[in-house]
Amino acid sequence: QVQLQESGPGLVKPSETLSLTCTVSGGLINSDSYYWGWIRQPPGKGLEWIGSIYFDGSAYYNPSLKSRVTISVDTSNKFSLKLNSVTAADTAVYYCARRRAFDVWSPGTMVTVSS
Amino acid sequence: ENVLTQSPGALSLSPGERATLSCRASQSVSSNYLAWYQQKPGQAPRLLIYGASNRATGIPDRFSGSGSGTDFTLTISRLEPEDFAVYYCHQYGTSYTFGQGTKLEIK
Repeated sequence: QVQLQESGPGLVKPSETLSLTCTVSGGLINSDSYYWGWIRQPPGKGLEWIGSIYFDGSAYYNPSLKSRVTISVDTSNKFSLKLNSVTAADTAVYYCARRRAFDVWSPGTMVTVSS
Repeated sequence: ENVLTQSPGALSLSPGERATLSCRASQSVSSNYLAWYQQKPGQAPRLLIYGASNRATGIPDRFSGSGSGTDFTLTISRLEPEDFAVYYCHQYGTSYTFGQGTKLEIK
């Protein structure tokens, strides 16, 4: 079955760019008509959708983050998230997930923004 | 933005009881694209219901979803000890938004 796994730095300095990659295993990212998304959860708080990308590369973003976010499909069955100009408010657990109703999730990775 | 408001914020019940969780949208949810998730501490959310009333793969039939338009409900018919968790609703009809969550606690 399909599994997702995030990777990337756990610590990012303020004003820098947060970069995460989600590796898809057990399926091909470009072979099905799926959306692939990023969601985050600040410590002790609820879920926030960051953005999603369709298998053809069309990307859709949370309006509140749109000016700082880029999601792209990479080679080797991966998709990535870049969030620039980060602040402490971007500290969160970051998840990647499949489909519009998120049926498969990654385990989550904690990213802390701190100098 | 379609704002989702969940109620109650917290619910204290005993195993074997029935739980009813509500999710109200500020605008009609397109095509009833409304999902429910369960999240336990330290874990990723798990999809329970999609399309307002369709159980996801492997979800026990004690979980059911209902509703349309702006009012949706997740019902757990007989609570099992493993059901105590936080539950989120999520609309994916117009962009994507999540509710703030309902914490289901053991009484």
